[in-house]
Amino acid sequence: AQRVTQPEKLLSVFKGAPVELKCNYSYSGSPELFWYVQYSRQRLQLLLRHISRESIKGFTADLNKGETSFHLKKPFAQEEDSAMYYCALSPGGYQKVTFGIGTKLQVIP
Amino acid sequence: DAEITQSPRHKITETGRQVTLACHQTWNHNNMFWYRQDLGHGLRLIHYSYGVQDTNKGEVSDGYSVSRSNTEDLPLTLESAASSQTSVYFCASSEGGVGKNEQFFGPGTRLTVL
Repeated sequence: AQRVTQPEKLLSVFKGAPVELKCNYSYSGSPELFWYVQYSRQRLQLLLRHISRESIKGFTADLNKGETSFHLKKPFAQEEDSAMYYCALSPGGYQKVTFGIGTKLQVIP
Repeated sequence: DAEITQSPRHKITETGRQVTLACHQTWNHNNMFWYRQDLGHGLRLIHYSYGVQDTNKGEVSDGYSVSRSNTEDLPLTLESAASSQTSVYFCASSEGGVGKNEQFFGPGTRLTVL
């Protein structure tokens, strides 16, 4: 069975500092990896997915199959980045997505 | 525009009562999911469906049931509400298939069981 681990429940950084939200997974095949974001009192929304290899709102995430990681990074944090971030894994096809427990990012002005 | 909606947005009920939370999507997605979100536990899957007449249990399905009679709706029923079911409930849908598993979430329902 697949598993997603987000080791930090809370990450506090100062505005302008680099951000790295960690995500490790366990799955024997080639999964699809996602990062979802939930701003205060809003619904979850997709931030980015590994297959698109794009940068959204300055965030990037690289899939490292050797380390089974999909860390989310941003070089300079902004106050509006404060939110809850969830890493998620899909085995692909018609299968359910597994979410990590989430990391709350707090950007201090 | 396609969307996914949930109702009610807030609900207060008493222990032992039956409660039904509605989820409606106009994406024409095959897959629909119900999650509960609790502090320290993240999102936990309650039930899910891959199509009409298909339902499956998730990791925290005890005390909950769903039915899928059409593509658009997946109502979640709490048969006999318990205080442990106080939570925020999210419905989601996805098209399904390789590269098509992005989930679209509803706005959530905040349920309080007294």
